[in-house]
Amino acid sequence: DVKVTQSSRYLVKRTGEKVFLECVQDMDHENMFWYRQDPGLGLRLIYFSYDVKMKEKGDIPEGYSVSREKKERFSLILESASTNQTSMYLCASSLSYRLAGAKQYFGPGTRLTVT
Amino acid sequence: AQKVTQAQTEISVVEKEDVTLDCVYETRDTTYYLFWYKQPPSGELVFLIRRNSFDEQNEISGRYSWNFQKSTSSFNFTITASQVVDSAVYFCALISGTYKYIFGTGTRLKVLA
Repeated sequence: DVKVTQSSRYLVKRTGEKVFLECVQDMDHENMFWYRQDPGLGLRLIYFSYDVKMKEKGDIPEGYSVSREKKERFSLILESASTNQTSMYLCASSLSYRLAGAKQYFGPGTRLTVT
Repeated sequence: AQKVTQAQTEISVVEKEDVTLDCVYETRDTTYYLFWYKQPPSGELVFLIRRNSFDEQNEISGRYSWNFQKSTSSFNFTITASQVVDSAVYFCALISGTYKYIFGTGTRLKVLA
């Protein structure tokens, strides 16, 4: 079974802090994703990576950056956390960008609160 | 533009009732895939089903069934004889390329004992 793990389930940070959210998958997947989930808005894509050091902006990349130095690890970085970044963050992976319609595997999520 | 609409924000049913979750999608592509995911209180989205645009056969898996109708751009999900463990948020999603998934806003299902 594919396992996607996220470094924290709950995180509380102060406004202006730099925040790192880590995601690791153990099935050699090429694609990794970061989503943000907010009530009434569903899942919105922040960033996508299809290979090591490769990334694409999603729908809401402002205020975020990402890093993928190793295939299994995809980090989301909030350069200067703000209260409007309080949310649930979900990481996902899928097999390959060359495979259309591949299903995604999700981590348990990190609920981030910025005060 | 691509879009997925789940008009039902929240549904409450009593255990053993049948319940249908609606999903309507929009896409101009002829090749696409539709998904349903379940998000229990633990937070992790769990894959339930994938259907491609060329396969309109309905699917049944235990108490779960899915009705895919291209004519109405719908991919509805029915739970028969609901149970308390079915309580979760359910997401419908669409993808027509290789990585950009479009999610609906989710339907929260509450099954009362």
